[in-house]
Amino acid sequence: QVHLQESGPGLVKPSETLSLMCTVSGGSISGFYWSWIRQPPGKGLEWIGYIFYSGSTDLNPSLKSRVTMSVDTSKNQFSLKLNSVTAADTAVYYCVRVFRGHFDYWGQGALVTVSS
Amino acid sequence: QPVLTQPPSVSGAPGQRVTISCTGSSSNIGAGYDVNWYQQLPGTAPKLLISGNSNRPSGVPDRFSGSKSGTSASLAITGLQAEDEADYYCQSYDSSLSGYVFGTGTRVTVL
Repeated sequence: QVHLQESGPGLVKPSETLSLMCTVSGGSISGFYWSWIRQPPGKGLEWIGYIFYSGSTDLNPSLKSRVTMSVDTSKNQFSLKLNSVTAADTAVYYCVRVFRGHFDYWGQGALVTVSS
Repeated sequence: QPVLTQPPSVSGAPGQRVTISCTGSSSNIGAGYDVNWYQQLPGTAPKLLISGNSNRPSGVPDRFSGSKSGTSASLAITGLQAEDEADYYCQSYDSSLSGYVFGTGTRVTVL
């Protein structure tokens, strides 16, 4: 059973960079696409982007200018960086595996609050 | 402007059948992209419920079924149970936006 776990600071100051790591266990990161999805409190889901194990990415055009994703296959980890954050970026961030166009394994989610 | 539109809420008594619609357009569902459904129980991460329009992953009860027609899709829950109270989201791909998109979400309440 594939397990994903998000880690990173729960509080980020406005204008700074949000950084999250996802550690994959129970399976290899190789051969798959891996995604980040976020959910503001009380709101719906928003796809942020995905990264292939080779490092290629596809990002949500609405966030593309502020997002960087990377992958470390040796550690079975992938990461998200979102710069110039504002209060609107406050959300639960999920790391997820992508398979044939759907999201089959989800992390438990990490709440990141943007506040001074 | 939501890309995939769902009713905000649906409700039903235990044992009843409820359906949730997901309305898209010619750049997503109507373009032939698959629709997937997720169940989000309170305080938890979403869970894949239906993939590829109508396929249930292992462990998902057959009370849940999905269908797709034209620019819309539907999720049906038959024999509604208290444990089905949750938020449900549809998801597809949109060629105009060049990315994955989610529905607005539907809260199911068991009366």
